[in-house]
Amino acid sequence: DVVLTQSPVSLAVTPGESASISCRSSQSLLHSNGNNYLDWYLQKPGQSPHLLIYLGSTRASGVPDRFSGSGSGTDFTLKISRVEAEDVGVYYCMQAQQIPVTFGQGTRLEIK
Amino acid sequence: QVQLLESGPGLVKPSQTLSLTCTVSGGSIRAGGYFWTWIRQHPGKGLEWIGYIYDSGVTFNNPSLKSRLTTSIDTSKSQLSLQLNSVTAADTAVYFCARVKGSGSSYSDYYPYYGMDVWGQGTAVIVSS
Repeated sequence: DVVLTQSPVSLAVTPGESASISCRSSQSLLHSNGNNYLDWYLQKPGQSPHLLIYLGSTRASGVPDRFSGSGSGTDFTLKISRVEAEDVGVYYCMQAQQIPVTFGQGTRLEIK
Repeated sequence: QVQLLESGPGLVKPSQTLSLTCTVSGGSIRAGGYFWTWIRQHPGKGLEWIGYIYDSGVTFNNPSLKSRLTTSIDTSKSQLSLQLNSVTAADTAVYFCARVKGSGSSYSDYYPYYGMDVWGQGTAVIVSS
């Protein structure tokens, strides 16, 4: 199975500052069709996860442009510019390049 | 606006079968360009993928559950179903269904994919005697 390792495990950010979350994969997520099958999801407290980024860098519909994804192969990053209070929750990366689909362990973002 | 609603028994005894349903509303379960997935979250833990199911009935399941797991789709009722046999306390979790925007599979080059874009609210299942 593909193992996804996120870092940091948690971070506390002052509103208005930026935050970065790393997701490293034990195997390349670059498909033979040229796409990286890596998603980012946010699970806000008491809610279901929701999609932020798919294919490594494409923002889902309605996601603010403060969120950006980058990376390829085995190393990926989610960057949140100008963090707001509503961004608190647990961020997960997820790979859909191989069955079984796997998730990172999550990164908890708190507001200072 | 497509909505997903999971339902289930809440409490299941060890060794019994867990049965869950996910009802799709606000859109067709057979709409082209989508397939479906089940995911669970153990208490206070991360997310675990259970499996994919397509409107054709084709499934791809997590090998860790494969021998105990059956998933199906009833397009006439706009419902997904999950059955997990021989449950133990380790199956205690919140179970989510979600819609995957895309088609094909990772086993072929044709694999348009746009993420798990709609999630249900989840249904909690406790396995206990």
